[in-house]
Amino acid sequence: KNEVEQSPQNLTAQEGEFITINCSYSVGISALHWLQQHPGGGIVSLFMLSSGKKKHGRLIATINIQEKHSSLHITASHPRDSAVYICAVGTSGSRLTFGEGTQLTVNP
Amino acid sequence: NAGVMQNPRHLVRRRGQEARLRCSPMKGHSHVYWYRQLPEEGLKFMVYLQKENIIDESGMPKERFSAEFPKEGPSILRIQQVVRGDSAAYFCASSPFNDAEQYFGPGTRLTVT
Repeated sequence: KNEVEQSPQNLTAQEGEFITINCSYSVGISALHWLQQHPGGGIVSLFMLSSGKKKHGRLIATINIQEKHSSLHITASHPRDSAVYICAVGTSGSRLTFGEGTQLTVNP
Repeated sequence: NAGVMQNPRHLVRRRGQEARLRCSPMKGHSHVYWYRQLPEEGLKFMVYLQKENIIDESGMPKERFSAEFPKEGPSILRIQQVVRGDSAAYFCASSPFNDAEQYFGPGTRLTVT
C-alpha cells in the first residue's frame, strides 16, 4: 500500500462543475502539499498546509490531521484547470512523498 | 526574482555516457531537492541537500548517481554510465528553510538511447 493514496485517478468534468480530489496518507507528516503538473510537465505548488483550510482564488484545500485526509476543491471549473493534481506529504527532513496524481480534464 | 532554473531542459545521452543535470535554486534558498519522474509513474524523492552538505540521500540509487551543492554555483545531479532505465524527467525544487514550501524547476528530460 502506498503511503499516499489519491482518488480518483482520472476525472472528467464539464466546465463550471465543482470538483473534489481526495488524498489519504498513512504516515506522520509535517505538512501536506498540493501540486499541479501542466501538460508540458512543469510543476506548480498550489498549497502547503498542516491544519484547517486554505483558499486561493477558485481553489480550496482542506486537511483533517486526525483522519489523515486532505481534499482539493475547484469551484467553477474551467478547461484551463485541466492538469495532473498531485498530493504530496512532507515527512522528516522535508523530503516529499507523492501520490500517483489525478488527471483532471475539464471539457468546455 | 527568478524562479528555480534547471539546465539543460532536454538531454540525450547514449548508454554508457555521463549525464550532468544542473539546478540553480531561487535567490535566498539554500535547500535543494531532486526528484525523478519515470515515464508513466509518479514523482520520487532522490536527494536533499543544503549548501555543501547532503542531508538525505535515501532515494538515490546506490551506484552511478551522485549529487552535490557547492558553496558557489548550482546543484549538480550526476549520473555515470547511463542506462535506458535512467530515461526520466528530473525535477529540482528549492526552499528557503527546512519544512518550507518547495518551488519546482521546469525539469530536465533525460533520454538515453
